[in-house]
Amino acid sequence: AQSVTQPDIHITVSEGASLELRCNYSYGATPYLFWYVQSPGQGLQLLLKYFSGDTLVQGIKGFEAEFKRSQSSFNLRKPSVHWSDAAEYFCAVGLYGGSQGNLIFGKGTKLSVKP
Amino acid sequence: IAGITQAPTSQILAAGRRMTLRCTQDMRHNAMYWYRQDLGLGLRLIHYSNTAGTTGKGEVPDGYSVSRANTDDFPLTLASAVPSQTSVYFCASSQEWSSYNEQFFGPGTRLTVL
Repeated sequence: AQSVTQPDIHITVSEGASLELRCNYSYGATPYLFWYVQSPGQGLQLLLKYFSGDTLVQGIKGFEAEFKRSQSSFNLRKPSVHWSDAAEYFCAVGLYGGSQGNLIFGKGTKLSVKP
Repeated sequence: IAGITQAPTSQILAAGRRMTLRCTQDMRHNAMYWYRQDLGLGLRLIHYSNTAGTTGKGEVPDGYSVSRANTDDFPLTLASAVPSQTSVYFCASSQEWSSYNEQFFGPGTRLTVL
């Protein structure tokens, strides 16, 4: 069965430090890949997505993600974290082809930022 | 432009009661979704609608029903609420029923069933 794994439940980084959030998926083909962010008390907002082509994709708020087919990974990165980045981050996959329209979400990684 | 609105924002409900969570979008999106979010479990799909008049079951549909009488509205009904349905519920929509479409999320409804 298809699945999405975010190995880190909670990460704390210092403001200004770099960030990498991990995401691995299990699927027989390359799925569509997404990262969403959820600020406290809010709904989810799309940060970036990958469908094909350049494996390094840029998103909003200075985030980027790199797709690595050999590792079935789609890790999210930011060079310098700001206090406002404290939130929960969800990786999601959309299955390619067929009649699937829904996304499969990982369980999320909560990011805390310390001054 | 409001995007997606959900009502109520929060609700405390006695077990056994019937409850309808409302969701309205103004983006004329064809597809709509209901998710529940539970600590440590992420988001799980309850029901979806790929177009007005058509609905389908997601990963955790038991105890919930939906209808899609028009493009804009997608209410979720709990016929007889149970404590395990305590959760935060998110409505979402996308332009088309396709897994490459971005989903837009509402602000959520926090439901407590006692």
